[in-house]
Amino acid sequence: GAVVSQHPSRVICKSGTSVKIECRSLDFQATTMFWYRQFPKQSLMLMATSNEGSKATYEQGVEKDKFLINHASLTLSTLTVTSAHPEDSSFYICSALLAGGNTGELFFGEGSRLTVL
Amino acid sequence: QKEVEQNSGPLSVPEGAIASLNCTYSDRGSQSFFWYRQYSGKSPELIMFIYSNGDKEDGRFTAQLNKASQYVSLLIRDSQPSDSATYLCVPNTGFQKLVFGTGTRLLVSP
Repeated sequence: GAVVSQHPSRVICKSGTSVKIECRSLDFQATTMFWYRQFPKQSLMLMATSNEGSKATYEQGVEKDKFLINHASLTLSTLTVTSAHPEDSSFYICSALLAGGNTGELFFGEGSRLTVL
Repeated sequence: QKEVEQNSGPLSVPEGAIASLNCTYSDRGSQSFFWYRQYSGKSPELIMFIYSNGDKEDGRFTAQLNKASQYVSLLIRDSQPSDSATYLCVPNTGFQKLVFGTGTRLLVSP
């Protein structure tokens, strides 16, 4: 199946700093990527839809100025958590939609666990 | 209203038994479904996709779809402790965003 690589897998940062998470589709082109966040024992919550070459579409309640998404190429999307605070500590997961695929399934990255001290 | 309803569990089955995971959905327009598996602390992985009424088998997994009853299920035969995970029933949205519920937590005891 298609492979999505996410980096870093774990990051610890101080409150007030910014953290960038990268999501790459390794063997396919992804015109659309999705960023999810998951808190312990909760379901995946969609944060935003990232489309190559255009602005991301954010879900209600997600601050676009805090969670900056860039999808500059067909294989790379980045999520930057700006001025991170402890409440931003979570498991961030990217996923990619296989362009030209038959089913609309999402391929997920390994996830990035962010801990803000 | 939730798009799908799943019992959060945990569903406990002994090793070697059949685990039956159920899902009902409210939108009659939903035509196909994904079953994702998520291990604790990991991202979801796709295990089955079903779009036709009836059964679809893949190894130890069988997905069942009944559009008249708006019911989807996943059977896991010869359950193994390594099958212990959360199973997510997700309606296919046709290349749009997927919405995930909390799923059903399965525990397979040795």
